[in-house]
Amino acid sequence: AQSVTQLGSHVSVSEGALVLLRCNYSSSVPPYLFWYVQYPNQGLQLLLKYTSAATLVKGINGFEAEFKKSETSFHLTKPSAHMSDAAEYFCAVRVQTGANNLFFGTGTRLTVIP
Amino acid sequence: DAGVTQSPTHLIKTRGQHVTLRCSPISGHKSVSWYQQVLGQGPQFIFQYYEKEERGRGNFPDRFSARQFPNYSSELNVNALLLGDSALYLCASSPGPTGYEQYFGPGTRLTVT
Repeated sequence: AQSVTQLGSHVSVSEGALVLLRCNYSSSVPPYLFWYVQYPNQGLQLLLKYTSAATLVKGINGFEAEFKKSETSFHLTKPSAHMSDAAEYFCAVRVQTGANNLFFGTGTRLTVIP
Repeated sequence: DAGVTQSPTHLIKTRGQHVTLRCSPISGHKSVSWYQQVLGQGPQFIFQYYEKEERGRGNFPDRFSARQFPNYSSELNVNALLLGDSALYLCASSPGPTGYEQYFGPGTRLTVT
């Protein structure tokens, strides 16, 4: 079985500060991992994905994430928060073979304080 | 290129009614997946279709059904609506059967009263 746990349902940072959103996964087989962002009243937009190539993955809008197998983590970071980063962020996992669906975490709402 | 489109954007139904939600994938994508997102939670997988065949089904009751058409568009049907079916229903498309990279539509907000 596979799942993800997002630590912290709400995170607040000041504009210009580091953004760190935590995600830990559970998977009995090598996983693919994803981060999605959801703005109010919109669907999900893919930020970045890990597919067993480089462990440090760079995505859109200055976000990146590092796959750490020893810690079963895939935390999302951004060096400097912008007001436009305020949104809901979801971590998701799927296995590399078999079922094709994504398993999502419960989400982290990011607030950026001016 | 147009992204994934869904219709309607919003709808309100009464308990016991039936609803049909529609999704058009990105041009060239042959796989469509449906997810339910209840307020305050992450999306939960309902179905995946590829080339008009069901490839996967989540833990949802038989009141939920779907199909995919020759043009790869898809419908999600929910019968005997319950209050708990109120949610944002998301459609995602991907090029091939693995659903490796899924692109989401804006969703349909269903309210059951």
